[in-house]
Amino acid sequence: EMKLEESGGGLVQPGMSVKLSCATSGFTFSDYWMEWVRQAPGKGLEWVAEIRNKANNYATYYGKSVKGRFTISRDDSKSIVYLQVNSIRSEDTGIYYCTRRRWAFFDYWGQGVMVTVSS
Amino acid sequence: DIVMTQGALPNPVPSGESASITCQSSKSLLYSDGKTYLNWYLQRPGQSPQLLIYWMSTRASGVSDRFSGSGSGTDFTLKISRVEAEDVGVYYCQQFLEFPRTFGGGTKLELK
Repeated sequence: EMKLEESGGGLVQPGMSVKLSCATSGFTFSDYWMEWVRQAPGKGLEWVAEIRNKANNYATYYGKSVKGRFTISRDDSKSIVYLQVNSIRSEDTGIYYCTRRRWAFFDYWGQGVMVTVSS
Repeated sequence: DIVMTQGALPNPVPSGESASITCQSSKSLLYSDGKTYLNWYLQRPGQSPQLLIYWMSTRASGVSDRFSGSGSGTDFTLKISRVEAEDVGVYYCQQFLEFPRTFGGGTKLELK
């Protein structure tokens, strides 16, 4: 069974950092490109970041609103993808979903982890 | 960035009727390989999004044949036949032609 399980969220003060994790199982993690997508409360979906696999040099890509503050990484030995969030802002509040990319779509999603930015 | 614009539904939709959701992109999503890089997702209340349709008209594994996708390079439609209670939620289109992978604002489907 395919599983993606996010963790690491919670209440974070503005300007601080948080690291989100997405533990996966049920597929060969190292073969896939992985993504983060977020959703502000009551709003739509926003793509955040992508990390490719070893065969593609672990290339990374970011949305404009997070570039320079967020870092996506992966540990193929543990089948985990991470999202390091620095200099966090109130507009970063929302649910963060980990998702697997297959071809040109996101085929499996985690249940999401909530990040709330507030002092 | 490619802007994705979704239309609204005349909610609520009577159970058993059909519903069509529209999506428009600011740039053609038809690529030189002949594929159109447009996806549809459904987010049921309190759940994560799930993939319905990719490459504009290919149903994802396990998705009911009541869902069908069609369109041109910039104008797309998701048709839901014989709407059921499990179809309630917010539908999103997404372009996969370029970074950033932009989504439409979502279209809510409510059942009568």
